[in-house]
Amino acid sequence: GENVEQHPSTLSVQEGDSAVIKCTYSDSASNYFPWYKQELGKGPQLIIDIRSNVGEKKDQRIAVTLNKTAKHFSLHITETQPEDSAVYFCAAPPRGGGGADGLTFGKGTHLIIQP
Amino acid sequence: EAGVTQFPSHSVIEKGQTVTLRCDPISGHDNLYWYRRVMGKEIKFLLHFVKESKQDESGMPNNRFLAERTGGTYSTLKVQPAELEDSGVYFCASSLADRASYNEQFFGPGTRLTVL
Repeated sequence: GENVEQHPSTLSVQEGDSAVIKCTYSDSASNYFPWYKQELGKGPQLIIDIRSNVGEKKDQRIAVTLNKTAKHFSLHITETQPEDSAVYFCAAPPRGGGGADGLTFGKGTHLIIQP
Repeated sequence: EAGVTQFPSHSVIEKGQTVTLRCDPISGHDNLYWYRRVMGKEIKFLLHFVKESKQDESGMPNNRFLAERTGGTYSTLKVQPAELEDSGVYFCASSLADRASYNEQFFGPGTRLTVL
């Protein structure tokens, strides 16, 4: 099955600086890579996703890059704000390919924005 | 539009007791998933329903866990008898049906289960 590794487990950045979270995956057939943000007391919420036919996707201050050769993808948050403080999870499908399978998640990164 | 709802939000039970968690997916979502996060670890997939059928239950820990989705609407996850290691946050998620590509999975707020 798929194995997803996520680093770092905790990331502290100054407000206004950029934050980068990295994930690697094991199944070369995987083609869908979502990022979820979980705030205290809430469920994970999708913030951005990327499919294997593109190398980068941006949505305002958030971007995701994908390197299929190296089997890693990264979340980039620019101009960080206090409301960005949360736990972020990367994920990938368990067996690659398309479909609606359950996701395999990384262990999460606790992002702390220092004022 | 209402999101995914879960009940209860918290449950504290003693080892050996039974607990039933409920999930109401977003209306019209055929796919329903159960996940669990044990403290400090990753969110782990438990099982996947398509309508009322179990599509994949490879993540279910053991036969003390029973999930149902009668009528293809809400789902229940029963733990009987509960053990200490069952403690964690149980998330439910739902998504639209599409076997060709992935659709966003919408997560509920979770049920925090504590087994004493």
